[in-house]
Amino acid sequence: DVKVTQSSRYLVKRTGEKVFLECVQDMDHENMFWYRQDPGLGLRLIYFSYDVKMKEKGDIPEGYSVSREKKERFSLILESASTNQTSMYLCASTFLSVTGELFFGEGSRLTVL
Amino acid sequence: GQNIDQPTEMTATEGAIVQINCTYQTSGFNGLFWYQQHAGEAPTFLSYNVLDGLEEKGRFSSFLSRSKGYSYLLLKELQMKDSASYLCASQPNSGNTPLVFGKGTRLSVIA
Repeated sequence: DVKVTQSSRYLVKRTGEKVFLECVQDMDHENMFWYRQDPGLGLRLIYFSYDVKMKEKGDIPEGYSVSREKKERFSLILESASTNQTSMYLCASTFLSVTGELFFGEGSRLTVL
Repeated sequence: GQNIDQPTEMTATEGAIVQINCTYQTSGFNGLFWYQQHAGEAPTFLSYNVLDGLEEKGRFSSFLSRSKGYSYLLLKELQMKDSASYLCASQPNSGNTPLVFGKGTRLSVIA
């Protein structure tokens, strides 16, 4: 059974803290993605990666960075968390093409106080 | 540019049929995905259309008209468990550009 695992389902952080969201997939997928999902705004792409150590900006990369040191792991980093980054964060992966069927993790709900 | 439109909310009765529409204006279109997302859960794949016409999969069907930039998801014999958000996503024909999602349609199935 294919699996995308996000390290934390719920996190509460304070403004200015550095936050790491981890995502691991066991499907040997080339491509990995980070989205945030907010009511009324839908899914918005933050960053994606099509290979190890490669990254591409999505639609809303400001305030975020990513790291992909190994094929199976894609990390989202908030260098200095702000309250407007309170959101649901979803990791996903695809096989071969970045335009293929997405397999999503369960999501990480981040609250920044 | 990319623009995907779908209704924000819909309500339908258990046992009925509901059609969720999605229109897209995208430069370089290849195909269209539908995902289902229950509250608090991850989106899961429902269907993928690349050719014009209707694709049927059990109680769910998806239709695509490339010339009209239009798709719909048809849910038959609605069940309470079909209450969820339904996300439409356009697939670009460039291999390096990710899917573009609509904002989702929240469907409520009532008794």
